[in-house]
Amino acid sequence: EAGVVQSPRYKIIEKKQPVAFWCNPISGHNTLYWYLQNLGQGPELLIRYENEEAVDDSQLPKDRFSAERLKGVDSTLKIQPAELGDSAVYLCASSSSALNTDTQYFGPGTRLTVL
Amino acid sequence: AQSVTQLGSHVSVSEGALVLLRCNYSSSVPPYLFWYVQYPNQGLQLLLKYTTGATLVKGINGFEAEFKKSETSFHLTKPSAHMSDAAEYFCAVMLSGTGGFKTIFGAGTRLFVKA
Repeated sequence: EAGVVQSPRYKIIEKKQPVAFWCNPISGHNTLYWYLQNLGQGPELLIRYENEEAVDDSQLPKDRFSAERLKGVDSTLKIQPAELGDSAVYLCASSSSALNTDTQYFGPGTRLTVL
Repeated sequence: AQSVTQLGSHVSVSEGALVLLRCNYSSSVPPYLFWYVQYPNQGLQLLLKYTTGATLVKGINGFEAEFKKSETSFHLTKPSAHMSDAAEYFCAVMLSGTGGFKTIFGAGTRLFVKA
């Protein structure tokens, strides 16, 4: 069974440009997470979806970040405009449900470099 | 504020030696606790988790961790290190938050294994 798929794996853009990341969770997983991982740090939750509903977006900088999961499967995370400080790895994860003990499965991440 | 502290950003051991990675958490109630491993350019993979019941938890690749409520600790151990154990390890706690439960990660400990 395929794991969590993310694309692109790497992205280099200039500041003020827009960028989008795509995530395809494990088939049948209703819960999808986007995390931000800065160099030398652990992941920090940006947004969590239950099917197509964003149930926790309290840490998402809504002035420049947006996300969607229109059909409750794939998800896209967008930054517009990007800033230098947005350089990081963006991780997507999924789990079969929102139960707090369910294992989260992580994708390989998208490494963003903003010049 | 709830937090997770991993003592030591880098740990170096010789092959065959004991691995001990430390994790302490702050929480007013016993949380759910996790250890993840991250290999270069890959996503996080669950090693083990503590939810309820037995406080000594066994995971994959010969790792285990013990939940000690009195010490608010969840240290990760492995009796004999292997070269393939070289990776970044993250301790995480799952706490109640906005929209349900949220996973808080420590900053990570990079394990080096010397031949």
